[in-house]
Amino acid sequence: DGGITQSPKYLFRKEGQNVTLSCEQNLNHDAMYWYRQDPGQGLRLIYYSQIVNDFQKGDIAEGYSVSREKKESFPLTVTSAQKNPTAFYLCASSPGQRRSGTTFGSGTRLTVV
Amino acid sequence: GDSVTQMEGPVTLSEEAFLTINCTYTATGYPSLFWYVQYPGEGLQLLLKATKADDKGSNKGFEATYRKETTSFHLEKGSVQVSDSAVYFCALTEAGGGADGLTFGKGTHLIIQP
Repeated sequence: DGGITQSPKYLFRKEGQNVTLSCEQNLNHDAMYWYRQDPGQGLRLIYYSQIVNDFQKGDIAEGYSVSREKKESFPLTVTSAQKNPTAFYLCASSPGQRRSGTTFGSGTRLTVV
Repeated sequence: GDSVTQMEGPVTLSEEAFLTINCTYTATGYPSLFWYVQYPGEGLQLLLKATKADDKGSNKGFEATYRKETTSFHLEKGSVQVSDSAVYFCALTEAGGGADGLTFGKGTHLIIQP
């Protein structure tokens, strides 16, 4: 079955370290997204990519970086510049036409210790 | 810009009660509207959608009607079950231009008691 795989499900990081969250999709979707979810704040867009080798900042891109070298992969790096990185991170993808439903991965919970 | 407002939770109901979760939106043009559901520790799953005014989306006993005149997309279910306990998100994608994904409400935590 097609879907989005995020790994790992739980991740612990020491302060000052960079960490990379994996996101892979086999849906042949053109667009991919990263969201951050915090209690009581819903989902906020970090970065998105509509095509390979191109990506755009979302609402809260500071302290994060991404790459899109392959259509099926969109890894997110949480850098040491991110002031409050503990959160639940969700990767998503959608076909070229945005009116179609967006598909989400199962998420990665990042905790800074 | 676009925005989605949904009722704050938690909403606590008894099993077999009638459910309404309100959602209103602000957008230019004619957005597509969605309801997503999130079970504990998981990602979001598309529950239903509507792409034009007066469309009714439905799935698993849930329904929502796209009301352009009131800019609303309220989620309803006639008889809820304990297994419906989850967080529900209303979302939209703008009608034209741009491609920055969905705009979400803050989510409504639904708790169904047996």
